[in-house]
Amino acid sequence: QKEVEQDPGPLSVPEGAIVSLNCTYSNSAFQYFMWYRQYSRKGPELLMYTYSSGNKEDGRFTAQVDKSSKYISLFIRDSQPSDSATYLCAMTFTGTASKLTFGTGTRLQVTL
Amino acid sequence: DVKVTQSSRYLVKRTGEKVFLECVQDMDHENMFWYRQDPGLGLRLIYFSYDVKMKEKGDIPEGYSVSREKKERFSLILESASTNQTSMYLCASSLGGQGWGYTFGSGTRLTVV
Repeated sequence: QKEVEQDPGPLSVPEGAIVSLNCTYSNSAFQYFMWYRQYSRKGPELLMYTYSSGNKEDGRFTAQVDKSSKYISLFIRDSQPSDSATYLCAMTFTGTASKLTFGTGTRLQVTL
Repeated sequence: DVKVTQSSRYLVKRTGEKVFLECVQDMDHENMFWYRQDPGLGLRLIYFSYDVKMKEKGDIPEGYSVSREKKERFSLILESASTNQTSMYLCASSLGGQGWGYTFGSGTRLTVV
């Protein structure tokens, strides 16, 4: 079993829809949780960063962490065609020198 | 903005060649990483470095080596390129300490023929 599981998709939604992207993990020591967005033929870029449990909002994006369920989510409101990309979750834990463990990524397509 | 620059976007090399992939970051980050990314397999860590002249093996170091002579530069070396090393190679950097996110370069698409 992988340490971080992420549905690869593809996930296709119409413009304006609310998108929910999710990851589950097995290591309860993870404390820092991130979401990266990767456009085709580009490197990943950091989208959201949260520490421990709770919610964090940034514009149309909301990141949620539920440590009791070992489950993290990224919600995108009012999705746009420009949101079409692969979304990777990543996490790490206190005591390491920030080596991240990544999910395999979910490909999202927002259609007109 | 932190910038991580990879020297080539696309490379085509022949089997058996020695290949150098260069990565430079401009924000004095302590940590640097090399990943390869393949469909269905996600990001796999090849090597990383926490300081100049220091290197640590990642999950798939076989067939690769690295060099970090200066803090800003981290090179990945394919000693004798093989077709199964055809992949997207991504360099990343991060601040020292714990819990920091990475800044990635744009990637090098390497094809070995």
